[in-house]
Amino acid sequence: DVKVTQSSRYLVKRTGEKVFLECVQDMDHENMFWYRQDPGLGLRLIYFSYDVKMKEKGDIPEGYSVSREKKERFSLILESASTNQTSMYLCASSVSIPSTDTQYFGPGTRLTVL
Amino acid sequence: SQQGEEDPQALSIQEGENATMNCSYKTSINNLQWYRQNSGRGLVHLILIRSNEREKHSGRLRVTLDTSKKSSSLLITASRAADTASYFCATDSGSRLTFGEGTQLTVNP
Repeated sequence: DVKVTQSSRYLVKRTGEKVFLECVQDMDHENMFWYRQDPGLGLRLIYFSYDVKMKEKGDIPEGYSVSREKKERFSLILESASTNQTSMYLCASSVSIPSTDTQYFGPGTRLTVL
Repeated sequence: SQQGEEDPQALSIQEGENATMNCSYKTSINNLQWYRQNSGRGLVHLILIRSNEREKHSGRLRVTLDTSKKSSSLLITASRAADTASYFCATDSGSRLTFGEGTQLTVNP
């Protein structure tokens, strides 16, 4: 079975802090994704990556950056956390292009920015 | 705006009843997927239906796709309390999936 893990289930940070959210998948998937989920807004794509060192902006990349140095790991970085980035963050992976193939999700990280 | 929009937003039924959720979308698709999310957890893939398919079954799940109406439905038969979750449709829009806001299904024992 595919396993996607996220470094923390719950995280509390202060405004202005640099925040790293880590995601690891164990099935050699090409594609990895970061979403945020908010009530009434559904899932919104922040960034995705087709391959190591490749990244593409999603629908809401502002205030975020990503890093993919190894195929299995995709990190989401909040350079200077703000309260409006309080949200549930979900990482996902899929086998290959097309990236519209089935996605496998991690358990999510609930981030609170105070 | 969301490519996929689920209807209803919330559904409450008794155990044993069938649950039907609908999804409408705006542009042409290659496939449509349904996912389930238990409270506070990640999404789990349920079923994928391709644009050239009209109906697909998986256990107690039945998915239909009407590309002329740009709509899909997910039917869960003989529901159980454990089916309580949010259900999302996702449509491909070229290089990515776009998720709707979901239907919250509550199955009362």
